[in-house]
Amino acid sequence: QSALTQPASVSGSPGQSITISCSGTSSDVGGYNYVSWYQQHPGKAPKLMIYDVSNRPSGVSNRFSGSKSGNTASLTISGLQAEDEADYYCGSYTSSSTIWVFGGGTKLTVL
Amino acid sequence: EVQLVESGGGLVQPGGSLRLSCAASGFTFSSYWMYWVRQAPGRGLVWVSRINSDGSSTTYADSVKGRFTISRDNTKNTLYLQMNSLRAEDTAVYYCARYGTRCFDSWGQGTLVTVSS
Repeated sequence: QSALTQPASVSGSPGQSITISCSGTSSDVGGYNYVSWYQQHPGKAPKLMIYDVSNRPSGVSNRFSGSKSGNTASLTISGLQAEDEADYYCGSYTSSSTIWVFGGGTKLTVL
Repeated sequence: EVQLVESGGGLVQPGGSLRLSCAASGFTFSSYWMYWVRQAPGRGLVWVSRINSDGSSTTYADSVKGRFTISRDNTKNTLYLQMNSLRAEDTAVYYCARYGTRCFDSWGQGTLVTVSS
């Protein structure tokens, strides 16, 4: 069982917006602004999409945005495109001995 | 361009050993903490081990403590993972990842380790 909780799947139509949640505790998501999000296409390596809750690395589309409220972080993808279909993982620093935790992943389907 | 290229995976019997390597280029390797993260078939990401920039400090997930050893050679820009006493549950794709600004900002393509008789 993953330390951070994500929905197993979400879906949306091209052009729509979707939001993926990532629930943790005050020891990880809620306690630090160190949440990051990763996109992973089948058979490929993960790719950083968001870091420090809401910052986008250079080269990542501004259709991707992140936010946090309490112990829950969120990734929003606006203007859905077919190429966005992938698995998405959240991750966070944790003050526990685990040091770093990932969510279980969310499969995004673009209808 | 940052590049991380893993190698050394393969099929190994339970109880066996493997040594993974991760060749880094395109950045100052000696300035970054590095991690090994694994992904079992159809499962999520799990960090396995980490090492600080000069190799003086290492940390392991409980599931591999005492069996795996992480190391690095900053003169060769290479990260290693020595895996001993391998179990079926260690079967996974192993990624090396650069720890940047409080996140994993670069990943290798991964190397598959299969533990089976």
